Amino acid sequence: DTEVTQTPKHLVMGMTNKKSLKCEQHMGHRAMYWYKQKAKKPPELMFVYSYEKLSINESVPSRFSPECPNSSLLNLHLHALQPEDSALYLCASSQDDFSSYEQYFGPGTRLTVT
Amino acid sequence: QKEVEQNSGPLSVPEGAIASLNCTYSDRGSQSFFWYRQYSGKSPELIMFIYSNGDKEDGRFTAQLNKASQYVSLLIRDSQPSDSATYLCAVKEWMDSSYKLIFGSGTRLLVRP
Repeated sequence: DTEVTQTPKHLVMGMTNKKSLKCEQHMGHRAMYWYKQKAKKPPELMFVYSYEKLSINESVPSRFSPECPNSSLLNLHLHALQPEDSALYLCASSQDDFSSYEQYFGPGTRLTVT
Repeated sequence: QKEVEQNSGPLSVPEGAIASLNCTYSDRGSQSFFWYRQYSGKSPELIMFIYSNGDKEDGRFTAQLNKASQYVSLLIRDSQPSDSATYLCAVKEWMDSSYKLIFGSGTRLLVRP
């Protein structure tokens, strides 16, 4: 089973709202990732958690705040977003972030900022 | 700058033909290579990974890796209209003290009935 789940599937938020995206996996993976994907572009890495610790932050603006409550869950907290932040937000997981690097993506959250 | 390059396409093939998708990469030291399929509006799905030179087959899919020439390809035999999608090549790279997946821009495949 290579399932990663994400909620919600769609989210519309205003620029002053606070919302959260959620991601869950039950594959025993110890690395989890957030990517952002714009139309007709490849995914762009935002954050990596390895063994529940933030290991990579790709200079993402502070209006995006990741959290890893436990090894199965990953959240992305959103605050004061801009319209250009509208995109597909993808969560992925892999067994670890060094030797085994097959990353499995969730279905994504389609975010629209108005 | 480590790069992964793909022809954006579209690559158009008739149903039943072999579709050949190619990817080149800039880092001679790269070791791990991945192919993802992405349908319009959906998330990427891992369909193949290859770590050793040569061919790796899984059903109708064959990944081919040539490290000397720095290319990796994906062959899809007996192409079906349901194979129409964007195929993303990704390479595991050591950058900024961490491993990261570097994606190509993707090749759009159209399989004509």
